[in-house]
Amino acid sequence: DADVTQTPRNRITKTGKRIMLECSQTKGHDRMYWYRQDPGLGLRLIYYSFDVKDINKGEISDGYSVSRQAQAKFSLSLESAIPNQTALYFCATSDLHGTGDPGELFFGEGSRLTVL
Amino acid sequence: GENVEQHPSTLSVQEGDSAVIKCTYSDSASNYFPWYKQELGKRPQLIIDIRSNVGEKKDQRIAVTLNKTAKHFSLHITETQPEDSAVYFCAARGLYGNKLVFGAGTILRVKS
Repeated sequence: DADVTQTPRNRITKTGKRIMLECSQTKGHDRMYWYRQDPGLGLRLIYYSFDVKDINKGEISDGYSVSRQAQAKFSLSLESAIPNQTALYFCATSDLHGTGDPGELFFGEGSRLTVL
Repeated sequence: GENVEQHPSTLSVQEGDSAVIKCTYSDSASNYFPWYKQELGKRPQLIIDIRSNVGEKKDQRIAVTLNKTAKHFSLHITETQPEDSAVYFCAARGLYGNKLVFGAGTILRVKS
């Protein structure tokens, strides 16, 4: 089945360390997103990309960076992790329909990051 | 930008009862309103959506209603079952935006 895969699924790190979360998809979708989930805050958009070489900031991009290495790969980096970046991170993809409607988001399984 | 508020934050119902979750949005130009369900330890998945040219949409036991004038939309689940227990997120997307803004989520517990 076509899917969205995230690695690592769980990571514990220390303050100040650089962390990369990777996302790959076999859905053939052009659009990819990184969301952060915190209890009581829902899903907040960090960055999104509509194509290779296209990068856009979301609601909470400070402290994060991304790279769209290929249509199927979108990675999220924390250059210097801090404890309040402890959260569950989701990658998602969507397809652009002929009507211009971006359509449904398909999420990966999530990457739980703990920063000590 | 768009802001979405979701209520209640937690909801407990008896099996077989109905559950209603409500969301309000701020951007009157928003035109797409999906609902996602996230079971414990799983990824969010789309369960139903509605566009601004429609007032109501049903899919078996779930339905969504939209009031554009009041800028609110609701999820209705009838004849709830234990497998409906999950976190439900509403979301909204503006007319020219490419981003979904999510509500904070509602934890639904169905007691058997």
